Amino acid sequence: DAGVTQSPTHLIKTRGQQVTLRCSPISGHKSVSWYQQVLGQGPQFIFQYYEKEERGRGNFPDRFSARQFPNYSSELNVNALLLGDSALYLCASSRQGAKNTGELFFGEGSRLTVL
Amino acid sequence: SQQGEEDPQALSIQEGENATMNCSYKTSINNLQWYRQNSGRGLVHLILIRSNEREKHSGRLRVTLDTSKKSSSLLITASRAADTASYFCATDARLTGGGNKLTFGTGTQLKVEL
Repeated sequence: DAGVTQSPTHLIKTRGQQVTLRCSPISGHKSVSWYQQVLGQGPQFIFQYYEKEERGRGNFPDRFSARQFPNYSSELNVNALLLGDSALYLCASSRQGAKNTGELFFGEGSRLTVL
Repeated sequence: SQQGEEDPQALSIQEGENATMNCSYKTSINNLQWYRQNSGRGLVHLILIRSNEREKHSGRLRVTLDTSKKSSSLLITASRAADTASYFCATDARLTGGGNKLTFGTGTQLKVEL
């Protein structure tokens, strides 16, 4: 079975632009989470979606938004990009429902550079 | 904010030696997980230990959990050059919307030299 897939793998944007990152979870996984990893730090939670509903949001500004589609794939949107948004954006899927955080399966990430 | 902190931040050992990494966290947990990340790539789940467990093994990995001290350790025995990576501990937390998130530590960079 295919793992979690993310696209694009790398992208470069300029300040003020908008970006959309995409994620396809492992088949059968209904929970998708997004994490931001700044260089040299651990991943930080942005969003969790389960069964197409937002189940949680981390401490990120409203410029960050996401959604989950009927096929459980997900998009992360970031508007009005800032230099500090440069990071590796990781998508993770899980078998678990919203009640427990079991093992997360991560994609390879989308590396965003904001100039 | 980072829930956990790994110690040491960086560790360099020779192949065949054991590597021990420690993690401290601040709040009560349901479980604690360890993940591995090769340079700039996705994270790979290594092991999950529940709050009512004290020790768990998986192959060359041994994890301990001390909830009274809010700490965990990851031991990699007989290390190999291929173990070179960053290792993160992560604790779970419930969200007000009914979901869950993982809070990761700052990571330990392990380098295993031939």
